[in-house]
Amino acid sequence: GAVVSQHPSWVICKSGTSVKIECRSLDFQATTMFWYRQFPKQSLMLMATSNEGSKATYEQGVEKDKFLINHASLTLSTLTVTSAHPEDSSFYICSAKDRGRFNEQFFGPGTRLTVL
Amino acid sequence: GNSVTQMEGPVTLSEEAFLTINCTYTATGYPSLFWYVQYPGEGLQLLLKATKADDKGSNKGFEATYRKETTSFHLEKGSVQVSDSAVYFCALRVSNSNSGYALNFGKGTSLLVTP
Repeated sequence: GAVVSQHPSWVICKSGTSVKIECRSLDFQATTMFWYRQFPKQSLMLMATSNEGSKATYEQGVEKDKFLINHASLTLSTLTVTSAHPEDSSFYICSAKDRGRFNEQFFGPGTRLTVL
Repeated sequence: GNSVTQMEGPVTLSEEAFLTINCTYTATGYPSLFWYVQYPGEGLQLLLKATKADDKGSNKGFEATYRKETTSFHLEKGSVQVSDSAVYFCALRVSNSNSGYALNFGKGTSLLVTP
């Protein structure tokens, strides 16, 4: 089946530092990947749509300069949280769309970010 | 706008009990509807889906019917097992020029099945 990995699975960082999260589609090519954020007992909120070879499309209220997205290849998208603050602590989940499977989205296991 | 409302959990059932998790939606256009399941420590997995009114999605004994008249997509299973313990998310997708195939999720319902 289609597998999406995320790395790291959890990270703890100091306030003011930057953290990069990788999302990889392991056995299919994904021209589109999505980044979601999930708060405890809350829904997944779409942050941005990442398109290979072009700029990401951000949802309203998401700071593009704070959450940098790069979709450098058909199997890799990265989310960089710049100058992280405690309020950025959350669970970040990516998904990749597989055109070969009727555009079904396959989700990564998520990355738990804790900013001290 | 597009949104999904699902019943709040946690839901605790005994093994072999009947399960219903309610889900209703609001959407512009004609959405596709999904149920995803998240087992502890794992990513979301597609459980079932329906792409048009009156379609029934089914998988692993779970079923949900796309009811346009009541804007609902309730998840049901006749006899739950301990292994069904997980968090269940109802979601919709309306393709548009801005978000492509992005999904709108409900808040999730935690299900615990006890022996």
